[in-house]
Amino acid sequence: SQELEQSPQSLIVQEGKNLTINCTSSKTLYGLYWYKQKYGEGLIFLMMLQKGGEEKSHEKITAKLDEKKQQSSLHITASQPSHAGIYLCGAVGGGSNYKLTFGKGTLLTVNP
Amino acid sequence: NAGVTQTPKFQVLKTGQSMTLQCAQDMNHNSMYWYRQDPGMGLRLIYYSASEGTTDKGEVPNGYNVSRLNKREFSLRLESAAPSQTSVYFCAIKRTSGHNEQFFGPGTRLTVL
Repeated sequence: SQELEQSPQSLIVQEGKNLTINCTSSKTLYGLYWYKQKYGEGLIFLMMLQKGGEEKSHEKITAKLDEKKQQSSLHITASQPSHAGIYLCGAVGGGSNYKLTFGKGTLLTVNP
Repeated sequence: NAGVTQTPKFQVLKTGQSMTLQCAQDMNHNSMYWYRQDPGMGLRLIYYSASEGTTDKGEVPNGYNVSRLNKREFSLRLESAAPSQTSVYFCAIKRTSGHNEQFFGPGTRLTVL
């Protein structure tokens, strides 16, 4: 079965700083999803990557999928307190009927 | 989370009690999912339903049953609750176009004493 490892597990940054969260898969990624979760709430879809080398941006958040399709990174530029929360990566395995396997998440704290 | 509703939002049960978590969507998508989220374990799939009338086990199905009542509703039942089932439960639906992303409900926080 596919396993996703996220690093770091938690991260504390000062407002305005840049940061990167990584997601590494044990198998080839056929679709990699990034979600954000605020405490006590459901998951919000951020971006989806599918092609090797693909890069997408939404506001100050950029996600990339490496050429080998086994690792993705999420980069936040000039972090703000509104970026705080748990970031989760989820992956679809080949032929999986779109069952998502999730990483354990990265808890981001942004101090004003 | 618009489009996916879950009830109740909070629930406290005693060991051995039963209950049903309800999930409903108004987005007309075929696939629906039940996950549980636990500290240090991430999100784990309990059951899913690819379409009305079908259900399949996920990663952690033991102790749960599901019903896909119609295209709109997908319920999760705990027949005899155990403390190990204390968790936050999320229902999700999969979009059938675009990126096939899953939309999540707001969750049900369940405590079993």
